[in-house]
Amino acid sequence: DVKVTQSSRYLVKRTGEKVFLECVQDMDHENMFWYRQDPGLGLRLIYFSYDVKMKEKGDIPEGYSVSREKKERFSLILESASTNQTSMYLCASSGDATSGLYNEQFFGPGTRLTVL
Amino acid sequence: QKEVEQDPGPLSVPEGAIVSLNCTYSNSAFQYFMWYRQYSRKGPELLMYTYSSGNKEDGRFTAQVDKSSKYISLFIRDSQPSDSATYLCAMSGLTGTASKLTFGTGTRLQVTL
Repeated sequence: DVKVTQSSRYLVKRTGEKVFLECVQDMDHENMFWYRQDPGLGLRLIYFSYDVKMKEKGDIPEGYSVSREKKERFSLILESASTNQTSMYLCASSGDATSGLYNEQFFGPGTRLTVL
Repeated sequence: QKEVEQDPGPLSVPEGAIVSLNCTYSNSAFQYFMWYRQYSRKGPELLMYTYSSGNKEDGRFTAQVDKSSKYISLFIRDSQPSDSATYLCAMSGLTGTASKLTFGTGTRLQVTL
């Protein structure tokens, strides 16, 4: 089974803090994604990466950065957390060339971040 | 206008009912269509995957794609309380490297005893 794990299920931070969210996948997937999920807005793509050290902006990259130093690990960084970044953050990976479902995304359990 | 529109619900049905969940989209380049199920406080998981137009059946679930109308549906037969979740449609125009998915906002389904 594909496993995507996220470093924390719940996180509480203060405004202005630097926040790191970690995601690890164990299926050697090429692509990794960070989303945030808010009521009424659905899943919104923040950043994605299709290879080590490669990154692409998604629909809402402002206030976020990412790092992918190893294939299995994709980190989301909030440089200076703000209250409007309170949300559920979901990591996903894709890229299983053997299954024929190359663009199926496998999701982690999510991190619920609260910024006070 | 959003690329993918999905009624947020909530949709409440009695156990055993047939459920119909739908999405409309505007991008004619979409070729791959998926339905994800998301239980409360969990990440989404893939339920159905279809390519281009047509029907696909898997147990109690049937996915339909009508590309001419830019309309996709998920039918759940003999619905169970365990089907209570949020259902997200997702679609893509590409497969392969950097293939992004565009998601609907999700429909919350409640199946009551």
